Formats: sequence, C-alpha cells, structure tokens
Amino acid sequence: GENVEQHPSTLSVQEGDSAVIKCTYSDSASNYFPWYKQELGKRPQLIIDIRSNVGEKKDQRIAVTLNKTAKHFSLHITETQPEDSAVYFCAAKGSGGYNKLIFGAGTRLAVHP
Amino acid sequence: NAGVTQTPKFQVLKTGQSMTLQCAQDMNHEYMSWYRQDPGMGLRLIHYSVGAGITDQGEVPNGYNVSRSTTEDFPLRLLSAAPSQTSVYFCASSPTGNGYTFGSGTRLTVV
Repeated sequence: GENVEQHPSTLSVQEGDSAVIKCTYSDSASNYFPWYKQELGKRPQLIIDIRSNVGEKKDQRIAVTLNKTAKHFSLHITETQPEDSAVYFCAAKGSGGYNKLIFGAGTRLAVHP
Repeated sequence: NAGVTQTPKFQVLKTGQSMTLQCAQDMNHEYMSWYRQDPGMGLRLIHYSVGAGITDQGEVPNGYNVSRSTTEDFPLRLLSAAPSQTSVYFCASSPTGNGYTFGSGTRLTVV
C-alpha cells in the first residue's frame, strides 16, 4: 500500500523567512496530494492540494511542487508569519478504485517573531 | 450546513468496554473516513467508505468495526477497548475522494 514520509519533523524559522516541507510517496500511481494545517487542539484543515497532472500550484504565500519521477512533493511558505505556526501534514491518495488518503507523520512549524 | 459532526467530544472507557463513536455529515458526501491521531505518528487511516453499503480497511483496522447504512452516518465501533486505543479520533468526508473535510474529533482515553 501507499507510504508517505515527511521531513523535517520540526522546523523553526524567523518571521519573514521561507519554510519548506518535503514528502515522498511510494505508490507511483498516486494522483492527488493535499496539504493540511492543524493548529493546536483543532481539526486538520486543507490549505492547498495538487493533482498529478500539474507540477506546481500557488495560493498567495503558499505553493506546492510535485516531482512525479522522483515521487516527492513539497510545501513552500514564503514570508512566514507567527500565525503560520502549526503542524502541517502532507498526504497522498493511492491507486485503485478506492480512495485511500494516506498521511505523513507531520511537521511542527514554529515561526518566531 | 453543520459540516462533519462527531460525538462525543471526550470519552473515558475501561479496558474491555465497547462503544460507538458517531460521525454524521450533512453535505451529501459519498466518501467518509476514520483516522486516529497519536503524537508523532500523524493521521492513520482506520476504515473508509466510498458510499452507502461500501466500506474497506485502512492502515490500522484491528479492533474497530464500521458500517455505512446511510450516506450521512459513518459510526466507528470499538469492540473491546484497550489502552492502545487511547487516541484522538477524526472523521472526515469528501464529495469526490479529494479535499476531505474533518470533524472536530473525539478524544478517547482507555484506562
């Protein structure tokens, strides 16, 4: 089945710096890659996603890139702000008729003023 | 729309007890999933469903049962609770299998 690895597990940046989180997946047939943000004590919320027929997608300060050949995708946050501090999860949807969405272990991002 | 509603929000069980975690959505979503969240381990898929009457196992199905008799409801049953099942449980739903919306979670403690 699908396996998703996420790095780093923790990331600390200064306000205004960029942050990059990387994920690799195992199933070459995976076709959908979302990113979720989870603030302390709250539910995960979808912040951006990308499909396998697209190499890059941007939404204001966040962007996701996908390298299908290498089976990895990354989340880029520019001009970080303290409110970006949270745990970020990547995920990949496996192949086949059913839609198993498998998550990475998460990255705890801390943005220091 | 209420979105995805999970009940209860908190629960304490004794080892060996059984219980059902409730999940309901009012968005007419076909796809629903249950995840458990443990520190350092992310969100692990327990069971999922692609429509009423259709369910399948995820990564960590042992000790849990599900059924999907209606589009709206997807309850998760713990058959005989164990301390290893202490976790936060999230239910999620999606219209297409992409872009899941999560409920607020159930924090379960098994003593």
